[in-house]
Amino acid sequence: QITLKESGPPLVKPTQTLTLTCTFSGFSFDTSEVAVAWIRQPPGKALEWLALIYWDDDQRYTPAMRTRVTMTKDTPKNQVVLQMTNVAPMDTATYYCAYQAKVGMRWFDTWGQGTLVTVSS
Amino acid sequence: SYVLTQPPSVSVAPGKTARITCGGNNLGDKNVHWYQQKPGQGPVLVMYFDDDRPSGIPERFSGSNSGNTATLTISRVEAADEAVYYCQVWDGTRDQPEYVFGGGTTVTVL
Repeated sequence: QITLKESGPPLVKPTQTLTLTCTFSGFSFDTSEVAVAWIRQPPGKALEWLALIYWDDDQRYTPAMRTRVTMTKDTPKNQVVLQMTNVAPMDTATYYCAYQAKVGMRWFDTWGQGTLVTVSS
Repeated sequence: SYVLTQPPSVSVAPGKTARITCGGNNLGDKNVHWYQQKPGQGPVLVMYFDDDRPSGIPERFSGSNSGNTATLTISRVEAADEAVYYCQVWDGTRDQPEYVFGGGTTVTVL
C-alpha cells in the first residue's frame, strides 16, 4: 500500500523560505520511472501543479514558480522536500505530495492528506 | 497555457446518474484523468486514460472523451459520491510539462 504524508510549518511570514517534507512508503526511488509531485490548493480554489522529481533526480517545475521552487529527494529516507523562497500571502494553500508510478503515466495515483500553510505576518 | 473548464456544481438525486463535464480545446486529442476530493482529504484518482478505472473504484464510475469535452459519469449515485471532482490533463513537452487541472465540480446528492 502506497502512502504519502506531508509535513511542515503551519505558519510562515512573508519573504521567508518555506520548507515542506513528504515522507512516503510503499515504493522507492530505487525503482525506475517513479516520481513524486507537489501540488497545492489555495483555500476554496482549484489544484495547481508545482513540481515533480523523478527517480533519477530529474526535476520539472511549473514555469510560473521555477525561480522560487526547488525540489529534492532523499532516497534512503523515502522523502522529498520542497523549498519555496520569498513566500507571500498568495502562497497560502494546502500543499499535497502525490505519487506517479511511471514516466508516461501522466496522472497521480496516490496523494497525501495535505498540509495547510498560511503565509501571514 | 491549456485551460480546462468545468461547471461549478451538479446536483443529482440518489440512484440517478450524474454527468460531470470537462471542456478544453481539442480535448479529445489528450488523455483525461479524474479525481474525487472529499472535505479535508487529499484527492483520489477515480479515472485515468479517459475511461480506465483504478482498482477499488466502483463500476458505477465511467468516463468518455471526444471532441472538446470529456465526461465523468456516475451511475446509481450514492450519498458517498458527494465530493468535488477535478479533471486533469498533461500538456506541454517532456522538457517542460504542465499538469493542468480543471476548476472542479461540486457534486451534491439531493
